[in-house]
Amino acid sequence: DAGVIQSPRHEVTEMGQEVTLRCKPISGHNSLFWYRQTMMRGLELLIYFNNNVPIDDSGMPEDRFSAKMPNASFSTLKIQPSEPRDSAVYFCANPDRGNHSGANVLTFGAGSRLTVL
Amino acid sequence: DAKTTQPPSMDCAEGRAANLPCNHSTISGNEYVYWYRQIHSQGPQYIIHGLKNNETNEMASLIITEDRKSSTLILPHATLRDTAVYYCIVRVAGNSGGSNYKLTFGKGTLLTVNP
Repeated sequence: DAGVIQSPRHEVTEMGQEVTLRCKPISGHNSLFWYRQTMMRGLELLIYFNNNVPIDDSGMPEDRFSAKMPNASFSTLKIQPSEPRDSAVYFCANPDRGNHSGANVLTFGAGSRLTVL
Repeated sequence: DAKTTQPPSMDCAEGRAANLPCNHSTISGNEYVYWYRQIHSQGPQYIIHGLKNNETNEMASLIITEDRKSSTLILPHATLRDTAVYYCIVRVAGNSGGSNYKLTFGKGTLLTVNP
């Protein structure tokens, strides 16, 4: 299993442009989490899906952010229009069904580093 | 979920044991203690978890006090590759539903392993 795969790994764009971040979760899982990490605020949960349905999007900063999970194999996080304050590393995560003695463990992707100029 | 308190930074010599403390004085009876770490430019990585007994796996040991108000993560022989931010998280474990996997991260402890 290749784990959680995110793309692009790095994105530099100009203010006002649309940004789409992609996540391919571990196969067979139906829950997915999007986190954002900045120096000032640390790791913040933006939204999570269960059975491909958004369950809690209270962490989504504002209407410029949207996320979809059209199927169990793919999710996107879109920012339109982007602003410099959106610069951050965005992580996608999946439950890990490995042998963790019943613990609820998340496996994270390597992240997408976004810079908005 | 209960709040945790960790020192912002610690240093450790390579080859020595690294002991990372965490206070969670408001932990509830059904909340577990989880430890994750984040190496620079990578996503967070699960290390270990426990409820009330001490736990050990191939990565680390977790010592939980009898009153469960604090715990210590032990890396028995720290290497340079263990330099990372270590997060202590307490939350309820469950068997189903996405909410049972939801993690709230604090600021963690930056462990620097020195040669």
